[in-house]
Amino acid sequence: GAVVSQHPSRVICKSGTSVKIECRSLDFQATTMFWYRQFPKKSLMLMATSNEGSKATYEQGVEKDKFLINHASLTLSTLTVTSAHPEDSSFYICSAPDRGGGSGELFFGEGSRLTVL
Amino acid sequence: SQKIEQNSEALNIQEGKTATLTCNYTNYSPAYLQWYRQDPGRGPVFLLLIRENEKEKRKERLKVTFDTTLKQSLFHITASQPADSATYLCALVDSSNTGKLIFGQGTTLQVKP
Repeated sequence: GAVVSQHPSRVICKSGTSVKIECRSLDFQATTMFWYRQFPKKSLMLMATSNEGSKATYEQGVEKDKFLINHASLTLSTLTVTSAHPEDSSFYICSAPDRGGGSGELFFGEGSRLTVL
Repeated sequence: SQKIEQNSEALNIQEGKTATLTCNYTNYSPAYLQWYRQDPGRGPVFLLLIRENEKEKRKERLKVTFDTTLKQSLFHITASQPADSATYLCALVDSSNTGKLIFGQGTTLQVKP
């Protein structure tokens, strides 16, 4: 199956700094990628849809200036958490739909655990 | 409002038994429904997809049913093994049909040897 890689898997940063998380589709092109956030023992919450060549579409309640998304190429999307604060600590997961786009199956990255001190 | 609900209580069963997990939804008319497995600290992994015109789908020890009248999907694992212990998530494409998947909160399954 298709592979989506996320990096870094874990990051610890100080409050006020910015953190960039990369999501790559390794063996297929992804014009669309999705970014999710997950709190402990909770479900995945869709944050935004990353679109190659255009602006990301954010879900209601998600701050665009806080969570910057750039879909630089057909194989790379990045999420930058700007001026991170402890409440931004969470598990961030990216995903991309299957190549054919027909089934709607999502291929997920391994996730990135962000801890803001 | 649209909802996807899974039993938030953990399901504990004995090895060899059949595990049954439930996913109920309201105010959706999904063309298909998906099930994922998630292990702690990892991203979800796709297991099965069932379309609205399919009543049942099987893959090895997994079986999924889809009842559009009851607005419910059941996920079964037969001959369960301790390695099946994980959180299982159901997901629907949202009604805007942009390809966004909306997830239930997941049910944690614990299979005891």
